[in-house]
This record gives sequence, structure tokens and C-alpha cells, in this order.
Amino acid sequence: DQQVKQNSPSLSVQEGRISILNCDYTNSMFDYFLWYKKYPAEGPTFLISISSIKDKNEDGRFTVFLNKSAKHLSLHIVPSQPGDSAVYFCAARTQGGSEKLVFGKGTKLTVNP
Amino acid sequence: KAGVTQTPRYLIKTRGQQVTLSCSPISGHRSVSWYQQTPGQGLQFLFEYFSETQRNKGNFPGRFSGRQFSNSRSEMNVSTLELGDSALYLCASSLGYRSSYNEQFFGPGTRLTVL
Repeated sequence: DQQVKQNSPSLSVQEGRISILNCDYTNSMFDYFLWYKKYPAEGPTFLISISSIKDKNEDGRFTVFLNKSAKHLSLHIVPSQPGDSAVYFCAARTQGGSEKLVFGKGTKLTVNP
Repeated sequence: KAGVTQTPRYLIKTRGQQVTLSCSPISGHRSVSWYQQTPGQGLQFLFEYFSETQRNKGNFPGRFSGRQFSNSRSEMNVSTLELGDSALYLCASSLGYRSSYNEQFFGPGTRLTVL
């Protein structure tokens, strides 16, 4: 049962354009969402997060949008740079309960120069 | 400050063997979590330790176990290895008691191949 779904295994965009990575979830008890970026041969690194009480959080070129009614969040990268090429994981945390992070399967982003 | 280190980085084992992986968290971090990453399942939570106590566990069989030492270093063990255990095993450390409420810092992982 995949509670956090990243339906696009890969995404390719041109340098300077917008990258939009999507994530859907099924568990309405999730109260906090995170995005991690992973380069080959390295561990994931935290990128940006959003609480369920917000619908947008921005950090430089990265913006995360949350649509609770649709159980959908997206990560926007503007403008995209070749160094952004990596695998992006969406993760969610359950309020109370086991409190562990549940990750999606990841989307591989390729930014072409 | 040194990051999370994991040893070994690569490991090849055969079915039925057992394996022990090691993780040294960032200095001062007391929480260590372990994840399994496979192409088909993404990152899946294995377990979390804080102050030498397992405080959370994922949905993995009992063949997967772990422990944490007084210096916060952690080991995970997989017994009776199966082909499906081939994966990247990631360790993450965080400062506070509840790892999911604190930023987690990941190590580079141990790539385990089971033949």
C-alpha cells in the first residue's frame, strides 16, 4: 500500500525552464511533508518542507505547494539548472501514531543545458 | 563537522549469509534511523534508535535487526540473506528524540548485493 506516490519516474526539462515534480498521498493523517534530493553515490539531502496548515512554502528557486483537498503536493524549481539533476523524493509524516517518515519512490529529474 | 558515515560502502554476500552494517552519526546527534532503498519500493523505513533504545520500527521481517551503542553509533544486521535484500541501506541521524520532527542527515549508504 503506497501511501505516498510519485507517479512520474522521470522528468526532463531544459535549463532555465520550470521543473514541476508531483506527489500524491492517500493518508489524511499526514501533517508534514518534505522533499529530499539525492545525487548518485550520496545520501538524500533535505530540500524543503511544508506543514499541512500551509499551502505554499518558498525557499529561493524552490517552492512547494500543498493542496490538501486533492491530497497533492508539488515542487517547483525555477529556473532549473543542470546541477538540479538528481532524484527527488517526496516524504510525509503522520501526526501522532508511529511518526515515521513515509517516502515516495522518487522522480529522476534531468535538466539539459 | 563530519557528516554521517557508513561502512562498508559496498558489500557482496550470498544467500543464507548474514551481514552487519555500521553507521556513525553526526557528532551530537542521538537519533539514528535506517532505511532500505530499492528501485521498486523507494525508501522504506526500517527502524529508529534513540539513546540505545529502538523507538520505532517499520514493516520488515525479524531477520532485520539493529542496535545503538552509548556513543550513538548504530549497527544493523540482516540474517539469512535473501536475493530481495539487495538494496542500498541508508542511515540518517538527527539531533532530537523524534527523528521525523527533526531534519535528518543521511549517510551515503551501503550497497548490498546478495548473490
